[in-house]
Amino acid sequence: QSALTQPASVSGSPGQPITISCTGTSSDVGGYNYVSWYQQHPGKAPKLMIYKVSNRPSGVSDRFSGSKSGNTASLTISGLQAEDEADYYCSSHTSSSLFVFGTGTKVTVL
Amino acid sequence: EVQLVESGGGLVQPGGSLTLSCAASEFTYRAYYMSWVRQAPGKGLEWVAKINEDGSQKYSVDSVKGRFTISRDNAMDSLYLQMNNLRAEDTAVYYCARVGSTSGWAPDYWGRGTLVSVSS
Repeated sequence: QSALTQPASVSGSPGQPITISCTGTSSDVGGYNYVSWYQQHPGKAPKLMIYKVSNRPSGVSDRFSGSKSGNTASLTISGLQAEDEADYYCSSHTSSSLFVFGTGTKVTVL
Repeated sequence: EVQLVESGGGLVQPGGSLTLSCAASEFTYRAYYMSWVRQAPGKGLEWVAKINEDGSQKYSVDSVKGRFTISRDNAMDSLYLQMNNLRAEDTAVYYCARVGSTSGWAPDYWGRGTLVSVSS
């Protein structure tokens, strides 16, 4: 059960778009449309931002969008804002009904 | 609003045991899978275990198999994590999370977490 691979950090200026990648295998990301994304501010619990690859829970800004191609999923934040500065984690359902998170990406707003 | 409140964390010596609890409210607890997720200080999230609606199916990460046991009490709307033979690397904030089929089996609501420190 290896963690999914994410870039350690991504940065952007306010108003710019950024994309975070999440690479797994055919046993997790590539095998299921059950990829989700979480936002975590320091000292807080994670918050679900995207589920089932591209669906947004009620209340999540439409500036957040998700996609998937093969074994790699992506989270895009369009129109970056100061409050988007946080850690982001992808996750996926896996074979054997287990669950795995990504290594995490720190987003910095310049 | 869904509420999940963890308790039971604390300082324990290596080799010791601890039981975490999670009190759920404001949703139909018996209709959901539940999970435990942990986060070591300054590190990323690690999924620990999950349990199905009636407690008959349990899954856990290899690193805790044989040491941690997830369980639930649907009459009390509560989730538990019995942790035995604790190691320094088990030091983390432990989060209780609800898992829904509509969210693609992803944890959709989380508690605030409880800190477990394993040290002599």
